[in-house]
Amino acid sequence: QVQLVESGGGLVKPGGSLRLSCAASGFTFSDYYMSWIRQAPGKGLEWVSYISSSGSTIYYADSVKGRFTISRDNAKNSLYLQMNSLRAEDTAVYYCASTPRDIVVGGPFWYFDLWGRGTLVTVSS
Amino acid sequence: QSALTQPASVSGSPGQSITISCTGTSSDVGGYNYVSWYQQHPGKAPKLMIYDVSKRPSGVSNRFSGSKSGNTASLTISGLQAEDEADYYCSSYTSSSTLWVFGGGTKLTVL
Repeated sequence: QVQLVESGGGLVKPGGSLRLSCAASGFTFSDYYMSWIRQAPGKGLEWVSYISSSGSTIYYADSVKGRFTISRDNAKNSLYLQMNSLRAEDTAVYYCASTPRDIVVGGPFWYFDLWGRGTLVTVSS
Repeated sequence: QSALTQPASVSGSPGQSITISCTGTSSDVGGYNYVSWYQQHPGKAPKLMIYDVSKRPSGVSNRFSGSKSGNTASLTISGLQAEDEADYYCSSYTSSSTLWVFGGGTKLTVL
């Protein structure tokens, strides 16, 4: 079954840390680019971070740059997001999402074809 | 404030057609044919409905179509059905370091 399953969310105090995981199954994980996207309660979607299929290229939204670190382990079919110095405004459901590779051009297509169900991160004292 | 502008809500009766707009700039929507649309039912993960402005993934109904003119992209849903009631988000590649931007979302109500 083709799916992404996030885990690791929870309640954390401001300034604390949390590590999210995303387990992929049913497809060749190493062929896909991956992103973390979040959704604050009652709000819209916000792209957070991106990692290339090999892990060599990484991008972050300005709102998390310097605090969050994305990584992946292709041998374990897993994506991670290390979140440090958490703030109240980081409270959200965090989704992992896959982006397929454009074999012709090389590099990613620019859309998210599969999403996980999300994991809730709450930052509160 | 979201980078792309969508109407907060739209509504239509079963069988009718509706269009949701998504306005950006020449750095995103207007500059690239990389607009995508996602459907999200309450408590569920978003689902890809349209990519590259007007392409439909396998399994998505042909009642869903996309287009673009200048800095504004549009999602049209024809023959509205009750199950189409959901939130819809547009997204675009952007030449800024952000890579992707989303719209604020549009709540579709089927009357």
